[in-house]
Amino acid sequence: EAGVAQSPRYKIIEKRQSVAFWCNPISGHATLYWYQQILGQGPKLLIQFQNNGVVDDSQLPKDRFSAERLKGVDSTLKIQPAKLEDSAVYLCASSPGQGGGETQYFGPGTRLLVL
Amino acid sequence: RKEVEQDPGPFNVPEGATVAFNCTYSNSASQSFFWYRQDCRKEPKLLMSVYSSGNEDGRFTAQLNRASQYISLLIRDSKLSDSATYLCVVNENDYKLSFGAGTTVTVRA
Repeated sequence: EAGVAQSPRYKIIEKRQSVAFWCNPISGHATLYWYQQILGQGPKLLIQFQNNGVVDDSQLPKDRFSAERLKGVDSTLKIQPAKLEDSAVYLCASSPGQGGGETQYFGPGTRLLVL
Repeated sequence: RKEVEQDPGPFNVPEGATVAFNCTYSNSASQSFFWYRQDCRKEPKLLMSVYSSGNEDGRFTAQLNRASQYISLLIRDSKLSDSATYLCVVNENDYKLSFGAGTTVTVRA
């Protein structure tokens, strides 16, 4: 079974530039998550989708971050404009049902460095 | 107060030793608990779920103490391959998981 796919794996940009990340979850998984993991910290949930609807985006900085999952399958996360503090690993995860107590399967992440 | 707090370590132990560490959580209504493992520069992966009665998976034992709101992980007969960061994860409600910052374990030969 193919795992969660993410691209790009690495990205270096200058502050105030824009960047987009892509995630393709495990086939058939209803719930998709985007996490931000800053060095030395645990993953912080940015947004959670169930199919193509948003379940939780309470920690998404909506003035600069946006995410969509239009057809309930793959998803993109965008940052516009980027700040230095956005340097982190952006992890995408998926789970089969509606989340909560389910196992989440993570992709390899996108490492973002903002200069 | 953070939802999930862990001792960051690092715990440096020799091969064959036993190492144990805890994590505390703030939401008394939390229902599900997990330990995830994260290797250096890799993604987190589920290590084990934590059940009310405690559970074992090989050399790993997890315990839950609801009264004191903490969970623990014990690793027996440590292997070099156990070196990793162990993330404590708590199910906050029907859909949301909260991750601790992780406890780093380094097993030395």
